[in-house]
Amino acid sequence: DAKTTQPNSMESNEEEPVHLPCNHSTISGTDYIHWYRQLPSQGPEYVIHGLTSNVNNRMASLAIAEDRKSSTLILHRATLRDAAVYYCILPIFSGTYKYIFGTGTRLKVLA
Amino acid sequence: SAVISQKPSRDICQRGTSLTIQCQVDSQVTMMFWYRQQPGQSLTLIATANQGSEATYESGFVIDKFPISRPNLTFSTLTVSNMSPEDSSIYLCSAVVGGQPQHFGDGTRLSIL
Repeated sequence: DAKTTQPNSMESNEEEPVHLPCNHSTISGTDYIHWYRQLPSQGPEYVIHGLTSNVNNRMASLAIAEDRKSSTLILHRATLRDAAVYYCILPIFSGTYKYIFGTGTRLKVLA
Repeated sequence: SAVISQKPSRDICQRGTSLTIQCQVDSQVTMMFWYRQQPGQSLTLIATANQGSEATYESGFVIDKFPISRPNLTFSTLTVSNMSPEDSSIYLCSAVVGGQPQHFGDGTRLSIL
């Protein structure tokens, strides 16, 4: 099963961009890359996902390396509300697509 | 996006008892899942809730301890049986609606005394 590796924690100043890295060196050609975040006392919230090309939505951008062995979630202007644990996930197909969560990156945003 | 409601949102239970957690989705879902999140930890998948048939459990989780039902497309229950303090966790339900990524409920915070 493809696994992901993320830094345990990162800090950012408010209103500055944040780049959250994820390594997935064992990714296969058909594995999508999903990002979720978990705010305090809430369930995980979908952020973005992609396969090969860079992706943008209202929450964030996802930059995928050309060899797909790593990706970076980009928050363009961090706010205090972005403080959360961010998870990079490669869904595993076993009859259905399942999520295996790693440890994630705890993002602290400084005012 | 789908709205997922879990009941209860939290509970405090005595050891040796059982608690059933309900998960209701406001849309027709394809798949439903149950996760456990132990204090300070990441999420661990317990099982896939299959409609009209037995759930598919992940390694380390068994039906006798975590019986799951899914009588229709939008509703599922997870029972935590014969609870011990080690079962104190957040239990989360998630659902797949159409081809979208999983949506999660806010979880049930369970404490065992």
